[in-house]
Amino acid sequence: DGGITQSPKYLFRKEGQNVTLSCEQNLNHDAMYWYRQDPGQGLRLIYYSQIVNDFQKGDIAEGYSVSREKKESFPLTVTSAQKNPTAFYLCASHPSLGSTDTQYFGPGTRLTVL
Amino acid sequence: RKEVEQDPGPFNVPEGATVAFNCTYSNSASQSFFWYRQDCRKEPKLLMSVYSSGNEDGRFTAQLNRASQYISLLIRDSKLSDSATYLCVVRNAGNNRKLIWGLGTSLAVNP
Repeated sequence: DGGITQSPKYLFRKEGQNVTLSCEQNLNHDAMYWYRQDPGQGLRLIYYSQIVNDFQKGDIAEGYSVSREKKESFPLTVTSAQKNPTAFYLCASHPSLGSTDTQYFGPGTRLTVL
Repeated sequence: RKEVEQDPGPFNVPEGATVAFNCTYSNSASQSFFWYRQDCRKEPKLLMSVYSSGNEDGRFTAQLNRASQYISLLIRDSKLSDSATYLCVVRNAGNNRKLIWGLGTSLAVNP
């Protein structure tokens, strides 16, 4: 089946540790995105990538890093510099720049920093 | 002013009721509009795109009013399973294809 997968579904980490969230898609989509969602808040864009080996900061990139070495994969690292990392992290993909289609989401990873 | 604004609700309606949500956007150059549905602790899922002429999908009708810069979602004959948060989403012109997300409107359909 085609789709977007994120793993793990739940993740617990100690404060001060870096953690990497996985996002894989087999939809052959060019663009991929990382969002963060906090209770009572909307989706906030962390990073996005429109093509392999290229990515741009979103609205809240501080304390995060990404890579896009393969079209299918867009991992997000939450570093110890991120002050409030506990949140619901959502990965999304979009077919291409020229497409009028919208974004499709993976099931999300719920990160809790203890 | 936020780029996309929605009434957070909650809207509590009985089964079978008709309910409507509005969403306003600030950028008159916005190009594309969508409604997503998000269930509790799940990812958002595309409910429907919103076209200039308005569009319908079963019990759901979406409309766009460019002059007043708002979009609407009408749900007829509400079902218990319609209970969710409905997110209004706007795509502006430009190369980055970023989506602007509303905070969502919470709907609870009661038996």
